[in-house]
Amino acid sequence: DAGVIQSPRHEVTEMGQEVTLRCKPISGHDYLFWYRQTMMRGLELLIYFNNNVPIDDSGMPEDRFSAKMPNASFSTLKIQPSEPRDSAVYFCASSFSPGQGNQPQHFGDGTRLSIL
Amino acid sequence: TQLLEQSPQFLSIQEGENLTVYCNSSSVFSSLQWYRQEPGEGPVLLVTVVTGGEVKKLKRLTFQFGDARKDSSLHITAAQPGDTGLYLCAGAENYGQNFVFGPGTRLSVLP
Repeated sequence: DAGVIQSPRHEVTEMGQEVTLRCKPISGHDYLFWYRQTMMRGLELLIYFNNNVPIDDSGMPEDRFSAKMPNASFSTLKIQPSEPRDSAVYFCASSFSPGQGNQPQHFGDGTRLSIL
Repeated sequence: TQLLEQSPQFLSIQEGENLTVYCNSSSVFSSLQWYRQEPGEGPVLLVTVVTGGEVKKLKRLTFQFGDARKDSSLHITAAQPGDTGLYLCAGAENYGQNFVFGPGTRLSVLP
C-alpha cells in the first residue's frame, strides 16, 4: 500500500515567490490534514478537510496561505507571497474515520521548505 | 483551547536504561495518541488510548492514560538505540478527528 505522498521533498526559493506543496492521501481516507513543524513551535495544524471540504482553517497563519482539495486524491497548500518565516517542514496526513474518532493519522515524509 | 505539555523536552540515556516521558494537559481528552518521529520522516502512530486508567503495552513500551484522561505517560524498558526519536503525544476532544500535538520529547539512546 502506498502511503501519503508529498511533493516536492525539498523546496528552496526566494522570498516573494509562490510556493505550492502537493499531497496525495491514502486511497479511501476521508480526512486530510496539513501541518507545519518547526523547532520553535512544534507540529501545528494548519487546516483539515473531511470529504474534500475544509472543516477548520483556524490554524492558517494568514491570507498568504491557502489550501484546496479538488478531489479525494489530491490536495495543495499554497503560499503567496512566501516569506523567510514560512521556512519549516510541512506535513500532510490522512485518516479514515468510520463515524468515530481515535483513528491513526498517516503522515507523509514532509516537504522541507526554505525561503531565502 | 487544548494545550499539551510534554516532559522532559530532551533526554539522553545509555542503552539498557529505563525511562518515562510525560504528557500533561488541563483539558480532558476523549482519546490520546502517541507517535514517534525519526529524522526526515513523518510521525508514526505507536498507540491510541481512550479509557481513563488504561494501560497498553507494545513490546518494551508501556503507555498509560490518566484516570481523569488529562495526562499520559510512556515508559520504555531497556532502551535501545533504535528507540531514538521524537516522541509526540496528541489529544482529541469529543471523539473528533482533530488531534492537538504536544511539543514532543526528543530521546537519544546511546550505544
